[in-house]
Amino acid sequence: GNSVTQMEGPVTLSEEAFLTINCTYTATGYPSLFWYVQYPGEGLQLLLKATKADDKGSNKGFEATYRKETTSFHLEKGSVQVSDSAVYFCALRGAQKLVFGQGTRLTINP
Amino acid sequence: GAVVSQHPSRVICKSGTSVKIECRSLDFQATTMFWYRQFPKQSLMLMATSNEGSKATYEQGVEKDKFLINHASLTLSTLTVTSAHPEDSSFYICSARDFKGTMNTEAFFGQGTRLTVV
Repeated sequence: GNSVTQMEGPVTLSEEAFLTINCTYTATGYPSLFWYVQYPGEGLQLLLKATKADDKGSNKGFEATYRKETTSFHLEKGSVQVSDSAVYFCALRGAQKLVFGQGTRLTINP
Repeated sequence: GAVVSQHPSRVICKSGTSVKIECRSLDFQATTMFWYRQFPKQSLMLMATSNEGSKATYEQGVEKDKFLINHASLTLSTLTVTSAHPEDSSFYICSARDFKGTMNTEAFFGQGTRLTVV
């Protein structure tokens, strides 16, 4: 079945550091890929998505490129802020269901 | 984006009682709603998928008699945890999606409900 593997956290960085959170997937067919962010005590918010190979999703300075050859969708940001502290989930969607990775807790220190 | 409202955000109940959680799509028609459970510091586990007007489809290992899901309208789904026990304490999140005849529509998430059974 479909699955998503995320870089384990927690990840702690200083403000303005470069961020990479790795995500790889296993899927049949051509899934859509997503990154969601969860702030403390809240539900999930869609951060960005890509629906086909080589698509780049971007939002709020975050980027991720759908790499079919490496089955990856790594999340990157060039300069993180304290407000980026949250849990980040990589996910894929095949037919109907979203399948989530285990989540990566990110803490940004001032 | 579209808004999904989940209520209540927090609930504490006594062991043996039932709790109902509501999930509403405020500005779109949700043909499909999903219910997830999230344990501390873990990912979301899909519990069930419900399509408006039909019975929910439960994931393997989820007790359908314990977690009752109703999706009676295109804007409302409810999850009732029956005869709750402390091990049911968790964070429950709903998600709603309007397929609009295409598979590329986005799913929107509620704020989540923190259930504590004492």
